[in-house]
Amino acid sequence: QQQVKQSPQSLIVQKGGIPIINCAYENTAFDYFPWYQQFPGKGPALLIAIRPDVSEKKEGRFTISFNKSAKQFSLHIMDSQPGDSATYFCAASSSHQFYFGTGTSLTVIP
Amino acid sequence: KAGVTQTPRYLIKTRGQQVTLSCSPISGHRSVSWYQQTPGQGLQFLFEYFSETQRNKGNFPGRFSGRQFSNSRSEMNVSTLELGDSALYLCASSSRGTGIYEQYFGPGTRLTVT
Repeated sequence: QQQVKQSPQSLIVQKGGIPIINCAYENTAFDYFPWYQQFPGKGPALLIAIRPDVSEKKEGRFTISFNKSAKQFSLHIMDSQPGDSATYFCAASSSHQFYFGTGTSLTVIP
Repeated sequence: KAGVTQTPRYLIKTRGQQVTLSCSPISGHRSVSWYQQTPGQGLQFLFEYFSETQRNKGNFPGRFSGRQFSNSRSEMNVSTLELGDSALYLCASSSRGTGIYEQYFGPGTRLTVT
């Protein structure tokens, strides 16, 4: 049973575009929602994270939007660059156990 | 601060053998988690250790085991390897404090079972 559902599986955008990656969860016990970025041959790197008591968090060009009632959260990448081309994973956590989405492969075309 | 380190980075084993992977967490981090990453299943949680005790365990067979030492370094062991165990094994560390959940991953160990 997939605890966190992530979409789309892949995404192609032009440089400067705003890719949006969505995740949904069911378990209301989750209290921490991070996003990770992974480049080929590397481990996932923590990008940005949010807790359910806020609806939005921005760090640089990355924004998380969180909808607690809908049990959904999404990652927006403003002014995307070719260097943002990577796989992005959302996750949800409670009691220090993490559940990951299946990943979104993002390609930013120059 | 040095990041999470994992050794070895690459490993080739044959079916039936066993393997031990090692992880050194970020200095000061006391929690270490292990994950298996495959193209088909994504990132799957194996187990988490804190202060030498296993706190959480994922849905993997008993062939997968781990331990944590007093210096927070951790090892995971897979016995009787199967072809399906071929994967990237990731270790992540976090600082266990009140409300601190940030988890930092190492580069992984790529295990190939032939």
